[in-house]
Amino acid sequence: QKEVEQNSGPLSVPEGAIASLNCTYSDRGSQSFFWYRQYSGKSPELIMFIYSNGDKEDGRFTAQLNKASQYVSLLIRDSQPSDSATYLCAVNNFGNEKLTFGTGTRLTIIP
Amino acid sequence: GAGVSQSPSNKVTEKGKDVELRCDPISGHTALYWYRQSLGQGLEFLIYFQGNSAPDKSGLPSDRFSAERTGGSVSTLTIQRTQQEDSAVYLCASSLYGLAGDEQFFGPGTRLTVL
Repeated sequence: QKEVEQNSGPLSVPEGAIASLNCTYSDRGSQSFFWYRQYSGKSPELIMFIYSNGDKEDGRFTAQLNKASQYVSLLIRDSQPSDSATYLCAVNNFGNEKLTFGTGTRLTIIP
Repeated sequence: GAGVSQSPSNKVTEKGKDVELRCDPISGHTALYWYRQSLGQGLEFLIYFQGNSAPDKSGLPSDRFSAERTGGSVSTLTIQRTQQEDSAVYLCASSLYGLAGDEQFFGPGTRLTVL
């Protein structure tokens, strides 16, 4: 079992709709959760991070964390073509600074 | 300010040759990480430096891989006797304190192709 799992996609969403990206993790000790966006041929850039159960909103982005079920999700409202990218989920534990990444979900926003 | 820089951006080498990849972290960042991203794969952790502490080498795939960080700043990742399976994009990242939860800022990567 992979430590961090994501559906590789591709996930196609119409422009203006809500894109929902999911990630599950196997280590119950995981404490920090990150969503990175990676455009083709570019390096990853941080979109959001979340530590506590519940929702965290930042503009059109909402991260949701459920530690009991060991999943974290990213919602993108009012999806734009510029949101088309691969979204990487990453986790780490307190005292373990390295990030463990999922393989990413490729998102395509259809105009 | 300047972000993380890496050089070269592309490297093509022949199987069996040694290669050196360089990373310049963001000034003032104490932590530096190396990751590898193979085609269609997520990022694979290789090694982590934090200040003057001994590096965490737990992700290095074989003893052909080594890395050093001089003066707490620039880092060099060396791959000896390269193999075709070493072909990947090698990404360097830095963070301010290296604490769990710190944002890691990534460089543009070095694309390594081993023929």
